Amino acid sequence: NAGVTQTPKFRILKIGQSMTLQCAQDMNHNYMYWYRQDPGMGLKLIYYSVGAGITDKGEVPNGYNVSRSTTEDFPLRLELAAPSQTSVYFCASSQQGGSYEQYFGPGTRLTVT
Amino acid sequence: LAKTTQPISMDSYEGQEVNITCSHNNIATNDYITWYQQFPSQGPRFIIQGYKTKVTNEVASLFIPADRKSSTLSLPRVSLSDTAVYYCLVLPNYGGSQGNLIFGKGTKLSVKP
Repeated sequence: NAGVTQTPKFRILKIGQSMTLQCAQDMNHNYMYWYRQDPGMGLKLIYYSVGAGITDKGEVPNGYNVSRSTTEDFPLRLELAAPSQTSVYFCASSQQGGSYEQYFGPGTRLTVT
Repeated sequence: LAKTTQPISMDSYEGQEVNITCSHNNIATNDYITWYQQFPSQGPRFIIQGYKTKVTNEVASLFIPADRKSSTLSLPRVSLSDTAVYYCLVLPNYGGSQGNLIFGKGTKLSVKP
């Protein structure tokens, strides 16, 4: 199993551009998550999904959109990129929510200039 | 979700035992205590979880007193490779709303030779 994969690993965007961060998992997990981590800080939840077709907001959803058309994929869309979105983005998945173990991807480092 | 408090940083030397304590005064009856480890430039990794008393695996031990208002992660005989950030989370054992799932700043453990 590849686990949780994310692409791209690095990306530089200009202010106002848009992009999609890809996330896929091959563990047949129901729950998927997107976090962002700013330098020296903990992770903040952006969006999560409890299954295909169902998504919900986390702590910091503004400026982002998600979709979950399949169990495997959970892309994160950035519209009108801003410098405040410069961060490392992690995708994670778990079989169920709550205290179930989350498996994290390697992250995408995004810089908006 | 229960709020947690843990030290911002700790220093240790190779071969020592390290104990990181987490306070969670408002833990609920159905909450589990979960610890994650994050190396630089990587996503967090689950290391241990417990409900009460003591849990041990190949990586660490977790000690939880009877009142469950705190917990201690114990790393035996640390090495340089244990240098990482350690996050304590208190999470319900059911799904529920994940919207306020937050990894705090964690405890940055630095192991010196």
